[in-house]
Amino acid sequence: GAGVSQSPSNKVTEKGKDVELRCDPISGHTALYWYRQSLGQGLEFLIYFQGNSAPDKSGLPSDRFSAERTGGSVSTLTIQRTQQEDSAVYLCASSLYGGYGTEAFFGQGTRLTVV
Amino acid sequence: DQQVKQNSPSLSVQEGRISILNCDYTNSMFDYFLWYKKYPAEGPTFLISISSIKDKNEDGRFTVFLNKSAKHLSLHIVPSQPGDSAVYFCAASARRLTFGEGTQLTVNP
Repeated sequence: GAGVSQSPSNKVTEKGKDVELRCDPISGHTALYWYRQSLGQGLEFLIYFQGNSAPDKSGLPSDRFSAERTGGSVSTLTIQRTQQEDSAVYLCASSLYGGYGTEAFFGQGTRLTVV
Repeated sequence: DQQVKQNSPSLSVQEGRISILNCDYTNSMFDYFLWYKKYPAEGPTFLISISSIKDKNEDGRFTVFLNKSAKHLSLHIVPSQPGDSAVYFCAASARRLTFGEGTQLTVNP
């Protein structure tokens, strides 16, 4: 597709279970971001991949969160032992290259609900 | 440490009037600034951007102003339309994008 694709669009999981969220960026984009938006909050940065550089993981809230990007394309965000405070919309974005001069394009998000 | 701040969580204006959304930042390394618009249940969409070497960029009804000495960014929408009602996020880039908390704009008919 032409845009950033995220799956699933909605996910309900039980507390303590692991979840995987997937992001397919725009083809050819070297930079990929994960953000989350909790109810009534802004966009919280989670992790940033840029080409072959080591990812910027400074936004991951705990060691239960991890992400990988395979082959410089598809990315998976994994949350282990989910907690209720993990409930949020998880947004993925990609840009042609990171940093100066490029805008990021967002997917529609995955709404995660932990019950 | 909130490096990009939007101090107004909401703004309400009448159709046809000007909407002014504000954003402040603290990191002097930011060199590119963007505004995004977000409708409910959708991802943010890019609206307009400005480089740190400029102080104004205009695109139709949307104009972004940058005051580097004050570390202040603003988005002007004129004339405002009901379809502009959305959450507006400002973002700043050094190596990666950092977003503000967003401002809910409501344009009343």
